Amino acid sequence: DSGVTQTPKHLITATGQRVTLRCSPRSGDLSVYWYQQSLDQGLQFLIQYYNGEERAKGNILERFSAQQFPDLHSELNLSSLELGDSALYFCASSVGTTVNEQFFGPGTRLTVL
Amino acid sequence: KNEVEQSPQNLTAQEGEFITINCSYSVGISALHWLQQHPGGGIVSLFMLSSGKKKHGRLIATINIQEKHSSLHITASHPRDSAVYICAVRRMGFGNEKLTFGTGTRLTIIP
Repeated sequence: DSGVTQTPKHLITATGQRVTLRCSPRSGDLSVYWYQQSLDQGLQFLIQYYNGEERAKGNILERFSAQQFPDLHSELNLSSLELGDSALYFCASSVGTTVNEQFFGPGTRLTVL
Repeated sequence: KNEVEQSPQNLTAQEGEFITINCSYSVGISALHWLQQHPGGGIVSLFMLSSGKKKHGRLIATINIQEKHSSLHITASHPRDSAVYICAVRRMGFGNEKLTFGTGTRLTIIP
């Protein structure tokens, strides 16, 4: 158990809908990272937050957004869902912003029908 | 060309064999991570390396910064080692905490 929690574990929804994925980092970790793992693209970095502020952005679609709250939990919002958004979404956390080990949550499996 | 390349893509071996998985990268890095992903999907961080060698149980990870290459070795392999092993790098420079991933090596250990 990495200490990172993600909810829900599974999510099935329809095209055009909006969903919110939630992540709670390990106690004491200030950085949260979101990653997407799809069958054709592998693992890709989406976005990072550090202590409530956006720190880095990767291949995140405009239909997706994220935030980190004062209690350091983070939410990833996916809207206008398309079939191609079906993937595993992982959250990871680390202590800071320098070279730190990242600890991964169990992931949320999103299926868009 | 991907920034991070792994080989082999798939590896099947008998229980007890010594396993080597390779990772090559083409950018300057501040750290390299080895991750393990089990069939259920969960990802476990095995090692984070910036130089030299690290050992944990039957797992050994090495990195050669000059050659931009890392290897993950498993000694006395066991069926429970069957998983996808993923190499990921953190690029050098301010604000580069994100990881860039290889495509993974699927390891199957046969009893």
